[in-house]
Amino acid sequence: DGGITQSPKYLFRKEGQNVTLSCEQNLNHDAMYWYRQDPGQGLRLIYYSQIVNDFQKGDIAEGYSVSREKKESFPLTVTSAQKNPTAFYLCASRSGINYGYTFGSGTRLTVV
Amino acid sequence: AQKITQTQPGMFVQEKEAVTLDCTYDTSDQSYGLFWYKQPSSGEMIFLIYQGSYDEQNATEGRYSLNFQKARKSANLVISASQLGDSAMYFCAMREGWSQGGKLIFGQGTELSVKP
Repeated sequence: DGGITQSPKYLFRKEGQNVTLSCEQNLNHDAMYWYRQDPGQGLRLIYYSQIVNDFQKGDIAEGYSVSREKKESFPLTVTSAQKNPTAFYLCASRSGINYGYTFGSGTRLTVV
Repeated sequence: AQKITQTQPGMFVQEKEAVTLDCTYDTSDQSYGLFWYKQPSSGEMIFLIYQGSYDEQNATEGRYSLNFQKARKSANLVISASQLGDSAMYFCAMREGWSQGGKLIFGQGTELSVKP
């Protein structure tokens, strides 16, 4: 079945370390998005990509980086510059044909 | 700037009753889309219903309906015959214009609790 796979489900990071969250889709979707969710809050956009080798900053891009070398993959790196990285991270994709968005199951990142 | 507002942080409803979750939006675009998602405690985002800005009829999907009032810029979700499994966070979201990447903007959410 087609869908989005995010891994790992839980991730622990020491302060000062970079960490990469994986997002893979087999839906042949053009656009992909990364969102951050803090407890009791809505989702905020970190980065998005509409085509391979191109991406744009969202509302809260500072301290994060992404790449889009393949259509299927859109990894997010949380760098040491991100002051408060503990959060729930959701990846989504969208087909260029219809209005549907598909979300992954999320990665819960905790800084220890 | 485009914005979604959900003014009800928490709602309670008795099982089998209907409940309305409020959502207002602000945009200068003529073409936009409005979505409702359900997020259970597991964290996954479950798509419930979609309304396009040019759709003249309110969207319905099973027990879910969207009360779309374009002039008031509101897109309230109505859940009929609530079930215990409906207890979750509910998010209203708006799709920005395609020239802006078709991004989704989310509201703060409403936590719905269904009582037996």
